[in-house]
Amino acid sequence: TQLLEQSPQFLSIQEGENLTVYCNSSSVFSSLQWYRQEPGEGPVLLVTVVTGGEVKKLKRLTFQFGDARKDSSLHITAAQPGDTGLYLCAGGSNNNDMRFGAGTRLTVKP
Amino acid sequence: NAGVTQTPKFQVLKTGQSMTLQCAQDMNHNSMYWYRQDPGMGLRLIYYSASEGTTDKGEVPNGYNVSRLNKREFSLRLESAAPSQTSVYFCASRDYFGQSYEQYFGPGTRLTVT
Repeated sequence: TQLLEQSPQFLSIQEGENLTVYCNSSSVFSSLQWYRQEPGEGPVLLVTVVTGGEVKKLKRLTFQFGDARKDSSLHITAAQPGDTGLYLCAGGSNNNDMRFGAGTRLTVKP
Repeated sequence: NAGVTQTPKFQVLKTGQSMTLQCAQDMNHNSMYWYRQDPGMGLRLIYYSASEGTTDKGEVPNGYNVSRLNKREFSLRLESAAPSQTSVYFCASRDYFGQSYEQYFGPGTRLTVT
Protein backbone atom coordinates (compact mmCIF):
# COMPACT_ATOMS: atom_id res chain seq x y z
CA THR A 1 0.00 0.00 0.00
CA GLN A 2 1.41 3.36 -1.07
CA LEU A 3 1.55 6.04 1.59
CA LEU A 4 1.03 8.56 -1.19
CA GLU A 5 -1.51 7.74 -3.91
CA GLN A 6 -1.09 9.48 -7.23
CA SER A 7 -3.80 9.68 -9.86
CA PRO A 8 -4.21 9.10 -12.65
CA GLN A 9 -1.47 6.52 -13.12
CA PHE A 10 -1.31 7.24 -16.86
CA LEU A 11 -2.47 10.27 -18.84
CA SER A 12 -2.23 10.86 -22.58
CA ILE A 13 -3.40 14.19 -24.00
CA GLN A 14 -3.01 16.42 -27.04
CA GLU A 15 -0.74 19.45 -27.11
CA GLY A 16 -2.59 22.52 -25.88
CA GLU A 17 -4.90 20.71 -23.45
CA ASN A 18 -5.00 21.40 -19.72
CA LEU A 19 -4.58 18.68 -17.10
CA THR A 20 -4.49 18.11 -13.36
CA VAL A 21 -2.79 15.29 -11.50
CA TYR A 22 -3.32 14.49 -7.85
CA CYS A 23 -1.32 13.28 -4.88
CA ASN A 24 -3.33 12.09 -1.88
CA SER A 25 -2.53 10.66 1.53
CA SER A 26 -4.12 10.01 4.90
CA SER A 27 -0.94 11.34 6.53
CA VAL A 28 -0.02 14.94 7.28
CA PHE A 29 3.24 16.13 5.80
CA SER A 30 5.47 19.02 6.83
CA SER A 31 6.34 19.57 3.18
CA LEU A 32 5.51 18.14 -0.19
CA GLN A 33 7.65 18.08 -3.30
CA TRP A 34 6.92 17.47 -6.97
CA TYR A 35 9.50 16.00 -9.33
CA ARG A 36 9.59 15.25 -13.04
CA GLN A 37 11.55 12.27 -14.31
CA GLU A 38 12.44 11.61 -17.93
CA PRO A 39 13.38 8.14 -19.25
CA GLY A 40 16.88 7.08 -18.26
CA GLU A 41 17.38 9.97 -15.87
CA GLY A 42 16.91 10.76 -12.21
CA PRO A 43 13.98 12.80 -10.85
CA VAL A 44 14.37 16.57 -11.01
CA LEU A 45 12.83 18.74 -8.30
CA LEU A 46 10.14 21.11 -9.60
CA VAL A 47 8.77 22.66 -6.42
CA THR A 48 8.47 22.36 -2.65
CA VAL A 49 5.33 23.46 -0.78
CA VAL A 50 5.32 23.77 2.99
CA THR A 51 2.22 25.71 4.07
CA GLY A 52 -1.36 24.37 4.00
CA GLY A 53 -3.27 26.03 1.15
CA GLU A 54 -0.08 27.25 -0.50
CA VAL A 55 -0.12 27.77 -4.25
CA LYS A 56 3.06 28.04 -6.32
CA LYS A 57 3.38 28.72 -10.02
CA LEU A 58 6.22 27.70 -12.29
CA LYS A 59 5.45 29.06 -15.78
CA ARG A 60 2.53 26.89 -16.98
CA LEU A 61 2.59 24.63 -13.92
CA THR A 62 0.52 25.41 -10.81
CA PHE A 63 1.07 23.46 -7.60
CA GLN A 64 -1.29 23.47 -4.65
CA PHE A 65 -0.84 22.04 -1.16
CA GLY A 66 -4.08 21.05 0.56
CA ASP A 67 -5.25 23.01 3.59
CA ALA A 68 -4.73 19.97 5.83
CA ARG A 69 -1.31 19.23 4.27
CA LYS A 70 -2.40 15.73 3.26
CA ASP A 71 -2.77 16.22 -0.47
CA SER A 72 -1.52 18.20 -3.42
CA SER A 73 -2.32 18.85 -7.04
CA LEU A 74 -0.36 19.80 -10.12
CA HIS A 75 -2.16 21.65 -12.91
CA ILE A 76 -0.55 22.16 -16.31
CA THR A 77 -2.00 24.74 -18.68
CA ALA A 78 -1.65 24.34 -22.43
CA ALA A 79 0.51 21.22 -22.19
CA GLN A 80 3.51 20.90 -24.51
CA PRO A 81 5.31 17.74 -25.73
CA GLY A 82 8.23 18.81 -23.55
CA ASP A 83 6.01 18.27 -20.49
CA THR A 84 6.03 14.52 -21.19
CA GLY A 85 7.47 12.54 -18.30
CA LEU A 86 6.82 10.82 -14.99
CA TYR A 87 5.56 13.20 -12.32
CA LEU A 88 6.32 12.14 -8.77
CA CYS A 89 5.13 13.62 -5.51
CA ALA A 90 7.02 13.11 -2.27
CA GLY A 91 5.89 13.92 1.26
CA GLY A 92 8.31 14.80 4.01
CA SER A 93 7.57 14.29 7.70
CA ASN A 94 10.98 15.25 8.97
CA ASN A 95 14.35 15.91 7.45
CA ASN A 96 15.00 12.29 6.58
CA ASP A 97 11.65 10.56 6.21
CA MET A 98 10.41 11.30 2.69
CA ARG A 99 7.96 8.99 0.95
CA PHE A 100 7.29 8.96 -2.77
CA GLY A 101 4.16 8.19 -4.72
CA ALA A 102 4.31 5.78 -7.67
CA GLY A 103 3.90 8.65 -10.14
CA THR A 104 1.72 9.81 -13.01
CA ARG A 105 3.10 9.06 -16.45
CA LEU A 106 2.12 11.94 -18.75
CA THR A 107 2.35 11.82 -22.54
CA VAL A 108 1.64 14.98 -24.52
CA LYS A 109 1.13 14.29 -28.21
CA PRO A 110 2.02 16.97 -30.78
CA ASN B 1 29.56 21.48 -11.15
CA ALA B 2 28.43 17.91 -11.89
CA GLY B 3 25.82 17.60 -9.10
CA VAL B 4 25.34 13.93 -8.20
CA THR B 5 27.23 11.30 -10.17
CA GLN B 6 26.77 7.53 -10.08
CA THR B 7 28.76 4.61 -11.44
CA PRO B 8 28.21 2.28 -13.13
CA LYS B 9 25.25 3.26 -15.30
CA PHE B 10 24.35 -0.37 -16.13
CA GLN B 11 25.28 -3.67 -14.49
CA VAL B 12 24.31 -7.31 -14.92
CA LEU B 13 25.07 -9.70 -12.07
CA LYS B 14 24.50 -13.38 -11.48
CA THR B 15 22.74 -14.50 -8.33
CA GLY B 16 25.20 -14.55 -5.45
CA GLN B 17 27.68 -12.09 -6.92
CA SER B 18 28.60 -8.92 -5.07
CA MET B 19 29.09 -5.37 -6.24
CA THR B 20 29.37 -1.79 -5.01
CA LEU B 21 27.49 1.15 -6.48
CA GLN B 22 29.36 4.42 -6.22
CA CYS B 23 27.88 7.88 -5.66
CA ALA B 24 29.50 11.28 -5.29
CA GLN B 25 28.14 14.82 -4.91
CA ASP B 26 29.92 18.13 -5.29
CA MET B 27 27.29 20.41 -3.69
CA ASN B 28 28.68 20.13 -0.15
CA HIS B 29 25.39 18.63 1.07
CA ASN B 30 25.33 16.97 4.48
CA SER B 31 22.72 14.28 3.72
CA MET B 32 22.91 11.51 1.13
CA TYR B 33 20.43 8.79 0.20
CA TRP B 34 20.08 5.55 -1.72
CA TYR B 35 16.72 4.69 -3.31
CA ARG B 36 15.47 1.92 -5.54
CA GLN B 37 12.77 2.46 -8.14
CA ASP B 38 10.55 -0.38 -9.29
CA PRO B 39 7.54 -0.19 -11.66
CA GLY B 40 4.38 0.83 -9.82
CA MET B 41 6.24 1.20 -6.51
CA GLY B 42 7.73 4.65 -6.70
CA LEU B 43 11.05 5.38 -5.05
CA ARG B 44 11.80 3.50 -1.84
CA LEU B 45 14.55 4.50 0.57
CA ILE B 46 17.21 1.85 1.19
CA TYR B 47 19.70 3.66 3.44
CA TYR B 48 20.61 7.22 4.21
CA SER B 49 23.39 9.21 5.80
CA ALA B 50 22.30 12.37 7.59
CA SER B 51 25.88 13.54 7.94
CA GLU B 52 29.42 12.34 7.45
CA GLY B 53 30.10 9.41 9.75
CA THR B 54 26.48 8.33 10.24
CA THR B 55 24.25 5.90 8.36
CA ASP B 56 20.72 4.65 9.01
CA LYS B 57 18.29 2.14 7.54
CA GLY B 58 15.44 3.25 5.37
CA GLU B 59 12.31 1.45 4.28
CA VAL B 60 13.94 -1.52 2.45
CA PRO B 61 17.50 -2.11 3.82
CA ASN B 62 17.66 -5.92 3.74
CA GLY B 63 20.40 -7.26 1.48
CA TYR B 64 22.30 -3.98 1.32
CA ASN B 65 25.10 -2.21 3.17
CA VAL B 66 26.36 1.35 2.84
CA SER B 67 29.49 3.36 3.55
CA ARG B 68 29.72 7.13 3.90
CA LEU B 69 33.35 7.41 2.86
CA ASN B 70 33.55 11.19 3.32
CA LYS B 71 31.21 14.14 2.85
CA ARG B 72 31.21 13.69 -0.93
CA GLU B 73 30.88 9.93 -1.33
CA PHE B 74 28.23 7.38 -0.31
CA SER B 75 28.44 3.82 -1.63
CA LEU B 76 25.89 1.00 -1.68
CA ARG B 77 27.01 -2.63 -1.54
CA LEU B 78 25.15 -5.79 -2.47
CA GLU B 79 26.97 -8.65 -0.76
CA SER B 80 25.07 -11.51 -2.42
CA ALA B 81 22.82 -10.31 -5.21
CA ALA B 82 19.34 -11.78 -5.64
CA PRO B 83 16.89 -11.46 -8.57
CA SER B 84 14.61 -9.41 -6.28
CA GLN B 85 17.31 -6.73 -6.29
CA THR B 86 16.85 -6.13 -10.00
CA SER B 87 15.92 -2.45 -10.05
CA VAL B 88 17.05 1.06 -10.87
CA TYR B 89 19.11 2.55 -8.05
CA PHE B 90 19.27 6.29 -7.44
CA CYS B 91 21.59 8.21 -5.18
CA ALA B 92 20.52 11.62 -3.94
CA SER B 93 21.90 14.40 -1.80
CA ARG B 94 19.90 16.88 0.20
CA ASP B 95 20.34 20.02 2.22
CA TYR B 96 18.12 22.49 4.02
CA PHE B 97 17.30 25.83 2.45
CA GLY B 98 15.01 28.21 4.27
CA GLN B 99 11.81 26.41 5.24
CA SER B 100 12.45 23.20 3.37
CA TYR B 101 15.12 21.04 1.84
CA GLU B 102 16.15 20.51 -1.76
CA GLN B 103 17.06 17.07 -3.03
CA TYR B 104 19.10 16.28 -6.11
CA PHE B 105 19.27 12.88 -7.76
CA GLY B 106 21.95 11.15 -9.79
CA PRO B 107 21.24 9.57 -13.21
CA GLY B 108 20.72 6.09 -11.78
CA THR B 109 22.26 2.61 -12.03
CA ARG B 110 20.21 -0.02 -13.85
CA LEU B 111 20.95 -3.38 -12.22
CA THR B 112 19.79 -6.74 -13.49
CA VAL B 113 20.35 -9.88 -11.41
CA THR B 114 19.92 -13.14 -13.29
